[in-house]
Amino acid sequence: ILNVEQSPQSLHVQEGDSTNFTCSFPSSNFYALHWYRWETAKSPEALFVMTLNGDEKKKGRISATLNTKEGYSYLYIKGSQPEDSATYLCAHSSNDYKLSFGAGTTVTVRA
Amino acid sequence: NAGVMQNPRHLVRRRGQEARLRCSPMKGHSHVYWYRQLPEEGLKFMVYLQKENIIDESGMPKERFSAEFPKEGPSILRIQQVVRGDSAAYFCASSPQTGGEPGYTFGSGTRLTVV
Repeated sequence: ILNVEQSPQSLHVQEGDSTNFTCSFPSSNFYALHWYRWETAKSPEALFVMTLNGDEKKKGRISATLNTKEGYSYLYIKGSQPEDSATYLCAHSSNDYKLSFGAGTTVTVRA
Repeated sequence: NAGVMQNPRHLVRRRGQEARLRCSPMKGHSHVYWYRQLPEEGLKFMVYLQKENIIDESGMPKERFSAEFPKEGPSILRIQQVVRGDSAAYFCASSPQTGGEPGYTFGSGTRLTVV
């Protein structure tokens, strides 16, 4: 994998349901994996930075896992709420400053 | 505690004019990064600066584009003789250190339209 790929591109989820989506990245030259939440007309907001294989991080109802050996990360949203509607970006870095972003997964939570 | 401040939010320039985009990092952040989002594309790294130093400008076009982060004042991304292909959203981010937590703090971006 040469680029950071996110799937699906978009998804719709019913309020109260849980969902998850994927970020794939190059497994060689890994330094860190970032997740950002980006609401329309706002700036991207940092959710997690993960560096170690097997890392799991949690912030409220949102959590993420990391597999650096196979080059993927999952983001989970438990009990989705309308305020979770946003585009979720992942970014891979092979050094301590330069991020390569995926195109994002746009989540729409239906009330 | 103000976040990363970018101005202007929207900028319209005619072909051949100069565009100057400003970014004030968060207080206490000495590392600044510029990213560009072309229409229908993701965020792409342009340049990484520390105070008075360009650390990595590998993502910036070699001609017409320059960036600075002076000892005093905001970071400036300057585009000379703009062309239609420069139309994009330009985002600035800052961090207190490189690498790990807490990630980067992004500004709201400057949307440049070249007419």
